[in-house]
Amino acid sequence: GAVVSQHPSRVICKSGTSVKIECRSLDFQATTMFWYRQFPKQSLMLMATSNEGSKATYEQGVEKDKFLINHASLTLSTLTVTSAHPEDSSFYICSAEGSSYEQYFGPGTRLTVT
Amino acid sequence: AQSVTQPDIHITVSEGASLELRCNYSYGATPYLFWYVQSPGQGLQLLLKYFSGDTLVQGIKGFEAEFKRSQSSFNLRKPSVHWSDAAEYFCAAGGGSQGNLIFGKGTKLSVKP
Repeated sequence: GAVVSQHPSRVICKSGTSVKIECRSLDFQATTMFWYRQFPKQSLMLMATSNEGSKATYEQGVEKDKFLINHASLTLSTLTVTSAHPEDSSFYICSAEGSSYEQYFGPGTRLTVT
Repeated sequence: AQSVTQPDIHITVSEGASLELRCNYSYGATPYLFWYVQSPGQGLQLLLKYFSGDTLVQGIKGFEAEFKRSQSSFNLRKPSVHWSDAAEYFCAAGGGSQGNLIFGKGTKLSVKP
């Protein structure tokens, strides 16, 4: 149980375009989901906390107009990187919070902006 | 400020040898504590967690961790390492009502035959 999926697993897009990443909790409902960014050989940096039915809470330094988060249901949160630039290339990981405050992580999405 | 420190960036052990990965935390109160493992290009898998109670916690894949309040530590151990244990290990604190999960920088484990 407690499986989280992400789609796509890899995506390549051109500079200036937008890309959407989906995060789904497959066998449980998650009021709260989190979006992290991980640079090569580094730890996870929390970008934002996504709560179902309300606006996401962004961490300091994260542009909310660039990284749009929508948590429309208890099993789905989406992250849209708008007007992507090469410096947005990274590994994006989502997690969903379970009933015991555990976070269950998705497999990650590798974004490459050319 | 709240923080999680993993002093060892990279550790190499021989297959079959014992393992201890260190984790220290700085937190206002006793936090929820977690150990996650990440294989290359993959997400994070929860190995074990500590919320309260028994300070020795058993996890999956033969891992255990001991919470020591006096040392603000939550070290991960395994008595006999397998080659498949080679991965990146992250210690984390917080979560839920305690606020955002704070990750250490990770320790890369290599296993030599």
